[in-house]
Parts: sequence; C-alpha cells; structure tokens
Amino acid sequence: EAQVTQNPRYLITVTGKKLTVTCSQNMNHEYMSWYRQDPGLGLRQIYYSMNVEVTDKGDVPEGYKVSRKEKRNFPLILESPSPNQTSLYFCASRVSAGRDITDTQYFGPGTRLTVL
Amino acid sequence: RKEVEQDPGPFNVPEGATVAFNCTYSNSASQSFFWYRQDCRKEPKLLMSVYSSGNEDGRFTAQLNRASQYISLLIRDSKLSDSATYLCVVNMRTGANNLFFGTGTRLTVIP
Repeated sequence: EAQVTQNPRYLITVTGKKLTVTCSQNMNHEYMSWYRQDPGLGLRQIYYSMNVEVTDKGDVPEGYKVSRKEKRNFPLILESPSPNQTSLYFCASRVSAGRDITDTQYFGPGTRLTVL
Repeated sequence: RKEVEQDPGPFNVPEGATVAFNCTYSNSASQSFFWYRQDCRKEPKLLMSVYSSGNEDGRFTAQLNRASQYISLLIRDSKLSDSATYLCVVNMRTGANNLFFGTGTRLTVIP
C-alpha cells in the first residue's frame, strides 16, 4: 500500500530533550516536506526537500533540523524542544517538485507533540 | 495579509443541502489550486484539483476566478459523511513549488 508513515504518533517530552520524528514514504517520491498545524494558523511548512541531500527552509524553520540521506526518509529533528513547538506535525511527499497540477501531495498520519 | 484566506465557519447544514465555500489568495502569479479535506485529528487528503475552466466530481464542483483571485467549492446534496474541514491550497512559488494552506472551513452536516 502506498503510504507515508510517521513515528511516533504521540509524544510528550520536556523542554530541551532532543527528539526525532521519523518520516518514511514508499512511493519513490522526490519531494518531501514537514508541516506543523496549529489552531487558527493552519498548516505551515517547516522544511522541504526536493531530492536526496537537497533540503531548504520553509516558512517556520526555527528550532528544527532535517536531513535527507535516503530518498524514502526525511526525519525531523528538534535539538532543544520548547513549549512553543507543541503542535501537530505532518510529513508529506509528492512525486516531484514539478508543476503538474494533478500532482497529489500525500500526508502522513500526523505526530502530536507536547513539550512541557 | 495571509496568502490564503478562508472563512473558518463553522457551517452547519442539514442533510441534502447545498453549501459553498470560498477562498481568496494573495499572489496573482499562483500556479495551481486544490481543495483538501481533513477529518478531525487526521491528515489532509486531496479532494480535488481546481482547473481554470472549473471542474466537477460527483456532488463536488470547484471553480477558479483568476481575475478576482478566489476559488470556490460547491457541495450539492450534502451527506453526513461530508462533515469535515475543507482546506483551500494554493501553489504560489516557482521552483520549489511549495503549497500554501488556508486555515480551513469546518462543515457539519446535520441529520
């Protein structure tokens, strides 16, 4: 089954304790990205990757890191989490960064993170 | 001004009703447009792309008005299963082709 998976699905942690949220897709997609979703603010892009070893900042990259060493994986790293990073996080992938209007973006199931 | 704006609702409509959502976008050079559906606490899923000439998929009709920079979604004969949040999504950038999401319009269809 074609899918995007994320782990963990739920995480409660404390300020300053490094954490990684994994993301993996099995569709051989080139483009992957991370979003956070907060009430009243909608989905905001954190980082994206157009292909292996190519990553770039989205709209809200502060406090986050990513890596793209393999095509299928795109982990999100919080080196020193803070309470304002409490949010619902979604990983997403798409075939390419091209301009095909029918290019569907697939989302993972989400990771609900609480930083105390 | 937000790049993509939607009325957050909620829209509470009876089964069988017709309901329409609008969405405005700020960048006139935007390339592509979509409606996504998001159920409570779940991931967004593509509902339909929006083509310049307008397009229909069963009970759903999407329209694009480039001159006024808005997109609409019409749902006819609403079903209980249509209850969800509908996200307007616009591709505003060249190159990286990033998508901008509206905050969503919440729809509840009442029996």
